[in-house]
Amino acid sequence: ETGVTQTPRHLVMGMTNKKSLKCEQHLGHNAMYWYKQSAKKPLELMFVYSLEERVENNSVPSRFSPECPNSSHLFLHLHTLQPEDSALYLCASSQVTGHSGNTIYFGEGSWLTVV
Amino acid sequence: AQTVTQSQPEMSVQEAETVTLSCTYDTSESDYYLFWYKQPPSRQMILVIRQEAYKQQNATENRFSVNFQKAAKSFSLKISDSQLGDAAMYFCACGGSNYQLIWGAGTKLIIKP
Repeated sequence: ETGVTQTPRHLVMGMTNKKSLKCEQHLGHNAMYWYKQSAKKPLELMFVYSLEERVENNSVPSRFSPECPNSSHLFLHLHTLQPEDSALYLCASSQVTGHSGNTIYFGEGSWLTVV
Repeated sequence: AQTVTQSQPEMSVQEAETVTLSCTYDTSESDYYLFWYKQPPSRQMILVIRQEAYKQQNATENRFSVNFQKAAKSFSLKISDSQLGDAAMYFCACGGSNYQLIWGAGTKLIIKP
């Protein structure tokens, strides 16, 4: 059983669709993250929310839109995606202390395929 | 800028033997943290071991230990008495004063029964 839950686990969407990925953490953490994992590439940090405020956005295209309504929930809204956006999207959480030394806890990921 | 390099895309080891996974990093920060994460086929990334750069003593967690060479900027992971459940992708990561962890590309570890 994981403290970070992601849904759906698998998603296939057309380039004109709008869909959302959902993440929920049960660990009492106050920071949440979206990462993109593509084959044979390092993990790419997409967004970080600390205390429900976005603190980092690593130049992610606007077709990805995050939402953090509270410290336990994180969404990634997807619209007009491209085939190169197909990847595993990982949600994670940690306790925020102003540095990256704390352990990050990951969900099992959402496999996204854009057709 | 920080970089993390894992030079071994794939490693294999016989069950019960020892294997070492390599990681080198570069950072301009004086205070930083190093991690090894494991990602089994289930895809959930889990922490294996963590090292604070200011600590000279190598971190150890049961069968997992690191060889932290600060001057050489090397952070290798040693797995002793390898088990079938150790088969996974292993990622090295480095973090500093912000939220950003810099990740290596990963090493696939295969355990031969």
